[in-house]
Amino acid sequence: QVQLVQSGAEVKKPGTSVKVSCKASGYTFSTYVMHWVRQAPGQRLEWMGWINAGNGNTKYSQNFQGRVTITRDTSANTVYMEMSGLRFEDTAIYFCARDLPPDDAFDVWGQGTMVTVSS
Amino acid sequence: DIQMTQSPPSLSASVGDRVTITCRASQSISRYLNWYQQKPGKAPKLLISSASNLQSGVPSRFSGSGSGTDFTLTISSLQPEDFATYYCQQNYGIPLTFGGGTKAEIK
Repeated sequence: QVQLVQSGAEVKKPGTSVKVSCKASGYTFSTYVMHWVRQAPGQRLEWMGWINAGNGNTKYSQNFQGRVTITRDTSANTVYMEMSGLRFEDTAIYFCARDLPPDDAFDVWGQGTMVTVSS
Repeated sequence: DIQMTQSPPSLSASVGDRVTITCRASQSISRYLNWYQQKPGKAPKLLISSASNLQSGVPSRFSGSGSGTDFTLTISSLQPEDFATYYCQQNYGIPLTFGGGTKAEIK
């Protein structure tokens, strides 16, 4: 079955970086776009960006431009989201989610990775 | 950015009730509107895409309508498993944006 499995919870200090992985299975990895979405405590879902798993093209929300990098490893069917310059307000659950063409809807989601930024 | 406003922020309803949630966009988004259900501690689940396309496996008591700036999600007969938070999301423009959510609670 189609599945996205994310890496485990992280605790980071302000100013450092975090890299979260999302391993896909059950479908042809390179034919889909993958998004990253985050949800801070009590806040609405926030879209961060996407990557075309086939050609590696990316698009980021301006809210994260320069701090977030999304990459993929086609040999491992895995997408990565790296965020630098972590702030307390980056404490959130980070989700990867597969794109449903042509709707840009998120049809399959990872289980989420909790990233806590704490001194 | 396109702002998405949901109402009500929360609702209290009984099993069997008909429930309607609205989502308003700050500009016209045609029918580029998706709906999700999220339960505590879980990832969101896609219910409806393109304003009214029910996803495979989603019960037919869920329906979506609207175009332009005003959209609705209707649950025709609320079931115990439907108590959750519902989000709309526009995919007309970048950045993709979500509504603030509507939490459906048991009366």
